[in-house]
Amino acid sequence: AQTVTQSQPEMSVQEAETVTLSCTYDTSESDYYLFWYKQPPSRQMILVIRQEAYKQQNATENRFSVNFQKAAKSFSLKISDSQLGDAAMYFCAYRSAHGNQFYFGTGTSLTVIP
Amino acid sequence: DARVTQTPRHKVTEMGQEVTMRCQPILGHNTVFWYRQTMMQGLELLAYFRNRAPLDDSGMPKDRFSAEMPDATLATLKIQPSEPRDSAVYFCASGLVTGEGMNTEAFFGQGTRLTVV
Repeated sequence: AQTVTQSQPEMSVQEAETVTLSCTYDTSESDYYLFWYKQPPSRQMILVIRQEAYKQQNATENRFSVNFQKAAKSFSLKISDSQLGDAAMYFCAYRSAHGNQFYFGTGTSLTVIP
Repeated sequence: DARVTQTPRHKVTEMGQEVTMRCQPILGHNTVFWYRQTMMQGLELLAYFRNRAPLDDSGMPKDRFSAEMPDATLATLKIQPSEPRDSAVYFCASGLVTGEGMNTEAFFGQGTRLTVV
């Protein structure tokens, strides 16, 4: 089975600053999708951003962007101009393009300091 | 606003009791997942369905857990009898599969927080 590793259990960032959350994964497949989900205290899992492995261009959604390094199997999330509402658990996830199951990392708890 | 709806949001029950959690997937989605989230294990896949048929339930303890989809608008996860170690947050998620794989991400409900005392 594929594994997803998030090596930072906790991170903190000053409001308005930039923070990068790390994620690495292990797979022998060439076609897959990667995701970052946000889980605020409300527990709702919210999709932040997705990346198709066949696309070389890094995905961007407003203040959220990724650094996708396919050869290194690395998929980091950068949050720019951090806001208090960004405080949450962030989960990196992998899904094969030919399968349905999602594999999740153990999460990174992000604190935003006013 | 399409969303996955789970009920109840919270459930406290005594050990040995039956627990039923319900999920209404997003209309038109044909794949439903059940995940369990604990501090120790993170997010674990329990089972998933496509077009109401179970595709994989290998992550589910078969002796006490059961998952069904009586119809396309309802998925259920049942625990009988419940045990304290079942205390966790249970998430339902849905997605749309066409062709060889899923062409959307999984959309999650807000989860059911289960406490077994």
